[in-house]
Amino acid sequence: DVKVTQSSRYLVKRTGEKVFLECVQDMDHENMFWYRQDPGLGLRLIYFSYDVKMKEKGDIPEGYSVSREKKERFSLILESASTNQTSMYLCASIDPGQGGQPQHFGDGTRLSIL
Amino acid sequence: GQNIDQPTEMTATEGAIVQINCTYQTSGFNGLFWYQQHAGEAPTFLSYNVLDGLEEKGRFSSFLSRSKGYSYLLLKELQMKDSASYLCAVRDNGGATNKLIFGTGTLLAVQP
Repeated sequence: DVKVTQSSRYLVKRTGEKVFLECVQDMDHENMFWYRQDPGLGLRLIYFSYDVKMKEKGDIPEGYSVSREKKERFSLILESASTNQTSMYLCASIDPGQGGQPQHFGDGTRLSIL
Repeated sequence: GQNIDQPTEMTATEGAIVQINCTYQTSGFNGLFWYQQHAGEAPTFLSYNVLDGLEEKGRFSSFLSRSKGYSYLLLKELQMKDSASYLCAVRDNGGATNKLIFGTGTLLAVQP
């Protein structure tokens, strides 16, 4: 089974802090994704990466950056956390070679910015 | 623009059948996915359709009509554990990115 592991289930940080959310997958997947999920808005794509050191902006990249130094790890960075970034953050990965393969999700990090 | 519509909430009775609809308008189409998400947990994959027709997998089936931009998820013999959010997602292009566009999800409550 594919395992996508996010470093924290719950995280509380203060406004202005630099926040790191870590995601590791164990299936050598090339594509990795960061989403946030908010009530009534569904999952929205923040950033994705289709290879090591390759990244592209998703639909809502403002206030975020990412890092993919190794294939198995994809990090989401909140440069200066703000209260409107309080949300559930989900990481996902996929093997792009398999057409019908789904994205596999981590358990999520519920981040609160005070 | 890109748009995926699902009902916000549905209620059904244990043992019954429920159909959750999804309509989409996207710039391209390269497959539709259904996910189940229990409260506080990660979405888990249920089904995938890329061609028109019905895909059956146990108690769950999913249907696709590409010409109508329409899909539904059919849940039979409902159980209490089926109470969850059901997410419809469209992959709007092929290639290496595999990006998905998600609907806002349908919260299904199964009652005794």
